[in-house]
Amino acid sequence: SAVISQKPSRDICQRGTSLTIQCQVDSQVTMMFWYRQQPGQSLTLIATANQGSEATYESGFVIDKFPISRPNLTFSTLTVSNMSPEDSSIYLCSVEGTLAGENYGYTFGSGTRLTVV
Amino acid sequence: SQQGEEDPQALSIQEGENATMNCSYKTSINNLQWYRQNSGRGLVHLILIRSNEREKHSGRLRVTLDTSKKSSSLLITASRAADTASYFCATVVYNQGGKLIFGQGTELSVKP
Repeated sequence: SAVISQKPSRDICQRGTSLTIQCQVDSQVTMMFWYRQQPGQSLTLIATANQGSEATYESGFVIDKFPISRPNLTFSTLTVSNMSPEDSSIYLCSVEGTLAGENYGYTFGSGTRLTVV
Repeated sequence: SQQGEEDPQALSIQEGENATMNCSYKTSINNLQWYRQNSGRGLVHLILIRSNEREKHSGRLRVTLDTSKKSSSLLITASRAADTASYFCATVVYNQGGKLIFGQGTELSVKP
């Protein structure tokens, strides 16, 4: 399965600023997924990032707030813009594992714990 | 949006006991997966069961899937303190481009 390096692992940011989170994968993948996990909650999908096209956002998430870049098949960034305390969460990237075209599970980055003060 | 619900939300047992967690989902699926998360960090994939399978085993884990009831269960046998974590079911929804949608999760505490 793929190995994902995600950074930063944690940050404390001032409200109104932006933070960019990076995920580097050790193999080429078609789609990368970005999730948010609010305190004590489950994971919510923010968007799907495809190389060479704009990311596809889930309901409740918009590009102006969470711009995503996908410059190649091994790298993606998620920016949390104009942050407020409500953005304090863990953010995780993920890629799908496939074998002979079938899904066999997803690999996750170690997460970025963001605190907005 | 969340695909479904899990119960119980929290479970506390003694080492050596079995732990059973249940998951329900709402739409047609390709497969259902279970993940573990320690201390709010990255998730670890535990087991995947396909929509045409009814039961699957992996070590101390046993997963069942009932597509007619849109439900699954995860059984951890002979639990250990190291099994203490949050457990999530997640589904790959049919015809939605491989998106993985998570349930609410069960917080398992195994006391030594």
